Amino acid sequence: AIQMTQSPSSLSASIGDRVTITCRASQVIRIDLGWYQQKPGKAPKLLVYAASRLQSGVPSRFSGSGSGTEFTLTISSLQPEDFATYYCLQDYNYPWTFGQGTKVEIK
Amino acid sequence: EVQLVESGGGLVQPWGSLRLSCAASGFTFSRSWMTWVRQAPGKGLEWVANIMQDGSEKYYVDSVKGRFTISRDNAKNSLYLQMNSLRPEDTAVYYCTKTSLDRIPVAGTLYYYYYMDVWGKGTTVTVSS
Repeated sequence: AIQMTQSPSSLSASIGDRVTITCRASQVIRIDLGWYQQKPGKAPKLLVYAASRLQSGVPSRFSGSGSGTEFTLTISSLQPEDFATYYCLQDYNYPWTFGQGTKVEIK
Repeated sequence: EVQLVESGGGLVQPWGSLRLSCAASGFTFSRSWMTWVRQAPGKGLEWVANIMQDGSEKYYVDSVKGRFTISRDNAKNSLYLQMNSLRPEDTAVYYCTKTSLDRIPVAGTLYYYYYMDVWGKGTTVTVSS
């Protein structure tokens, strides 16, 4: 199975900060990668698919980039509602695999 | 409104069985791939299984192969997960998701990309004696 490694596992940031989360795949996965946001006690929410395609309704401060084995999710200006855990997911082949998550906390 | 509502979770003893259901509404269920994702208490997300629109293709994570079966009834707009020989490590919140496809040209070739764009609120399964 393809292993997805996210970094960092957690980070502290302030409102307005630029935040970058990285996801590395154990093998090439083209651009078959999505990013999901999860708040405590809630279901995950899709942010980005195909590495850089922003899901409809997601604020433009979120952006995704990368291909092959290295991917990033960037929040250009962190807002109060962005404090959550973020997961990458590869859907290049089965079994689909998630990264371990990155928890974004308030500094 | 597009909606997924899971049901069927509960407390079950090890080696027991449980059947989860997911009722879909607000979209054309028969045209959508569907997925189960789970999350153990305090842990990350784990993909469990996918099923194609007509049920002809199914995929599972290795840890549930031979024990879990994903199925669907398009006439009832419903997705199911039959879970047998349950283990304590199957304890989790189980989410049903609508999985969409987008066709994107890359270097002159059309590729399909999946994305889980609608999620239910989840149903909790606890495996314990």
